[in-house]
Amino acid sequence: LAKTTQPISMDSYEGQEVNITCSHNNIATNDYITWYQQFPSQGPRFIIQGYKTKVTNEVASLFIPADRKSSTLSLPRVSLSDTAVYYCLVGEMRSGGSYIPTFGRGTSLIVHP
Amino acid sequence: GAVVSQHPSWVICKSGTSVKIECRSLDFQATTMFWYRQFPKKSLMLMATSNEGSKATYEQGVEKDKFLINHASLTLSTLTVTSAHPEDSSFYICSAAFRESAIEQFFGPGTRLTVL
Repeated sequence: LAKTTQPISMDSYEGQEVNITCSHNNIATNDYITWYQQFPSQGPRFIIQGYKTKVTNEVASLFIPADRKSSTLSLPRVSLSDTAVYYCLVGEMRSGGSYIPTFGRGTSLIVHP
Repeated sequence: GAVVSQHPSWVICKSGTSVKIECRSLDFQATTMFWYRQFPKKSLMLMATSNEGSKATYEQGVEKDKFLINHASLTLSTLTVTSAHPEDSSFYICSAAFRESAIEQFFGPGTRLTVL
C-alpha cells in the first residue's frame, strides 16, 4: 500500500515561497501524485497532479525526481489565504483495476503577516 | 466544471435514527464515487468506493450494514448512516471521478453529522 509521509506543520510569511515535500517510497509504477488543499470544514480542493519531472499550473509547481519516491509542492509567494492543510495523495491500483486513494496525515501550513 | 455537491451540508439527529447524505456530480458523469470520513484535525479516511450500478466496496473496518451506499446513477450516490450513535458524529465527504482509474477526484463540500 502506497503510504505518504509529510511534515505535520510548516510556518511561512506572506510573499515567501513554500515547499512541502512528501515521501512515497512504495509508489507503484502506474501511480500518480496528487496534491490537495483543504480549509476547515470544507472538502479538499485539487491543486496539482503529476507523474514525473515537473508540472506547473497557475497556482503551484510540482517537482518529482526520477525515482519518484518523493515529490515537492511549491507554492510561490504565499498569502494569508494559503493557510490550510495540504495533502499529498498517492493511490493504489488494486487487482481488477480499482483505484484506492490514500490520504496521508497532511501538512498544516500557517502563513503569517 | 467538475462540480460536486452534497446535501445536507450539516445535520443534527437523535441517537438511533438514520441519516441519508446525497452526493451529486453536477456537470459530469461519475463512474466512481468515494466516501470519506474525517474527524477533527485528522486526515480523510476512505470508507468505501462505489461504482454506478454495482455494490460498493468497503474498506476494512467499515461496517457495510451501518453505512449503506447506493450509487443509483452516474450523477448520484447516497450514504445512509443507519441507527446513528454519537461516535458516528463526523465530517463526511464524497468525491467523484470520471473513470474507474479515478486519478483525479472532485470533492464535495462535506456534510457535518452530529448525533445527540
